[in-house]
Amino acid sequence: EVQLVESGGGLVQPGGSLRLSCAASGFTFSRHWMLWVRQAPGKGLEWVSVINTDGSSTDYADSVKGRFTISRDNARNTLYLQMNSLRAEDTAVYYCARDMSWLQSDYWGQGTLVTVSS
Amino acid sequence: EIVLTQSPVTLSLSPGERATLSCRASQSVSSYLAWYQQKPGQAPRLLIYDVSNRATGIPARFSGSGSGTDFTLTISSLEPEDFAVYYCQQRSIFGQGTRVEIK
Repeated sequence: EVQLVESGGGLVQPGGSLRLSCAASGFTFSRHWMLWVRQAPGKGLEWVSVINTDGSSTDYADSVKGRFTISRDNARNTLYLQMNSLRAEDTAVYYCARDMSWLQSDYWGQGTLVTVSS
Repeated sequence: EIVLTQSPVTLSLSPGERATLSCRASQSVSSYLAWYQQKPGQAPRLLIYDVSNRATGIPARFSGSGSGTDFTLTISSLEPEDFAVYYCQQRSIFGQGTRVEIK
């Protein structure tokens, strides 16, 4: 059974940093592109970032470019999102998801809430 | 930048009725168009990928169609568990969602 379990969310002050993790199991992690999608409270879905199978290629939404870094550890079957210079508008539930093709995602984690507030 | 506009914003229907959800792109897009269902407090669930292919385990009452700029998700006969929010997606862009509520 495919499972994606996010962790690392919490309350952080504006300008602060946080690192999210997503532990994957039930599939060959190293064969899949992975991505992060977020959802602000009461709002729709927003794609955040994607990483290819070996971590050599990444892409970001303009809203997070230069502040967020996606990475992966295929030996640990874990996806990461390093978030720096956090803003109030980054407050959201962050989901990791498995890419099946062209950012269409067939499996999602349960999400982790990030709240940026003083 | 491509914009996906979903309509209607809210669809009020009764169980057993047919639901037709629209997703319109601001310019012609590729066939990598997906639809997701999301219920309160849950992660999105993939329903349809590549415009018209049902994801694993998705009932046959869900179908997708369209091309170019106009795409449709059809639920042939609403079941109680189908009342939720539905999003279309084309690569990095999501529509704003359509809420299907019980009339």
